[in-house]
Amino acid sequence: DTAVSQTPKYLVTQMGNDKSIKCEQNLGHDTMYWYKQDSKKFLKIMFSYNNKELIINETVPNRFSPKSPDKAHLNLHINSLELGDSAVYFCASSQAGTSKGDTQYFGPGTRLTVL
Amino acid sequence: AQSVTQLDSQVPVFEEAPVELRCNYSSSVSVYLFWYVQYPNQGLQLLLKYLSGSTLVESINGFEAEFNKSQTSFHLRKPSVHISDTAEYFCAVSAGSGSARQLTFGSGTQLTVLP
Repeated sequence: DTAVSQTPKYLVTQMGNDKSIKCEQNLGHDTMYWYKQDSKKFLKIMFSYNNKELIINETVPNRFSPKSPDKAHLNLHINSLELGDSAVYFCASSQAGTSKGDTQYFGPGTRLTVL
Repeated sequence: AQSVTQLDSQVPVFEEAPVELRCNYSSSVSVYLFWYVQYPNQGLQLLLKYLSGSTLVESINGFEAEFNKSQTSFHLRKPSVHISDTAEYFCAVSAGSGSARQLTFGSGTQLTVLP
């Protein structure tokens, strides 16, 4: 049983296109996140949602828009893709305010390549 | 704001030798500390974590890390590594409260185990 899943695993597209990445978790968590991992493997948080509400919104271009239809899903839509958007995007989830320290569990990642 | 420094970007070591991956953090509030491992072309897996209590924490595959508050460190160690331990290792610190708790990653250490 996959805990945090993402689709697609690979995404190759042209500059200027609009694309979406989907994330689902079946852990019953109330908080979900999107991270970007660049070519040097540096991981940086982009967004977090708690119970469908935006909690963390780091300095990310407004071409990136997260959408959370329910607390088990957090999708990432990217408009007008640019070469610099090429990266691996990870979704994660956690249960806020528990004795487990809000441990985050990660999806397998989506490798986005913009040509 | 918190930050994490992983002092070594690459650590080559021979099979069955001991290894230490260094991690230092800074934070103005109490923190939770994590080590994640990323195998090639895969997502991040939680290796171990420190939330409270005993400062020495262990993983199921022989890694251990010790929380040292005075030195603000959380170094990862293994007494005898295997080829299969080759991966990227990320130290992370979680600070904040409730749903605003944020995970900040170090830049990663590539552990390469040589035969």
